[in-house]
Amino acid sequence: EVQLVQSGAEVKKPGESLKISCKGSGYSFTSYWIGWVRQMPGKGLEWMGIIYPGDSDTRYSPSFQGQVTISADKSISTAYLQWSSLKASDTAMYYCARHSGDFIAEGPGTSWFDPWGQGTLVTVSS
Amino acid sequence: QSVLTQPPSVSEAPRQRVTISCSGSSSNIGNNAVNWYQQLPGKAPKLLIYYDDLLPSGVSDRFSGSKSGTSASLAISGLQSEDEADYYCAAWDDSLNVWVFGGGTKLTVL
Repeated sequence: EVQLVQSGAEVKKPGESLKISCKGSGYSFTSYWIGWVRQMPGKGLEWMGIIYPGDSDTRYSPSFQGQVTISADKSISTAYLQWSSLKASDTAMYYCARHSGDFIAEGPGTSWFDPWGQGTLVTVSS
Repeated sequence: QSVLTQPPSVSEAPRQRVTISCSGSSSNIGNNAVNWYQQLPGKAPKLLIYYDDLLPSGVSDRFSGSKSGTSASLAISGLQSEDEADYYCAAWDDSLNVWVFGGGTKLTVL
């Protein structure tokens, strides 16, 4: 079974750093792009960026470029989303999801995200 | 304000049929595939429809998708209480170079 399992909920203070994880199993982790999606409390879904674990090629949404860092460690089939200095406005649920096709070679226009991780709730409060 | 426009909520009685619309533009829906995701209360999104009208394995055929021009629709027939969820449409946007989502539609089964 293809599965993405995310790390547990985090409670942090403004200014602190954080790295959350997404571990893939049941498929070749290095062959599929992994995307990250934010859902703020009571709000909709926002795409943050995407990484190819095979060579760590990473693309960011302009809205999130410079605000977060996406990385991967293919040796342990895990993708990461990290912040160097959290803000209260980073409070949200964060999901990772597997991209269906080759983001570069095939383009994203005919692809989708499946499956999704269970989500990691990040709470930033003083 | 979302790039793709969905109604905030829809409601219908059990066993009836409901449709959820998703309106976009030539840079997203008009030129790329539309996907639909179902988010049950307190759960992660789940792929419901991909490539405009295809059902993933395991998804009930009570769900169907369609697209025309710069708009797409999700239809759910034979409504059941378990269908109560938020539904999101999504597509790649060629101008913004991002995946864009609709604001989500909350389905209530009366």
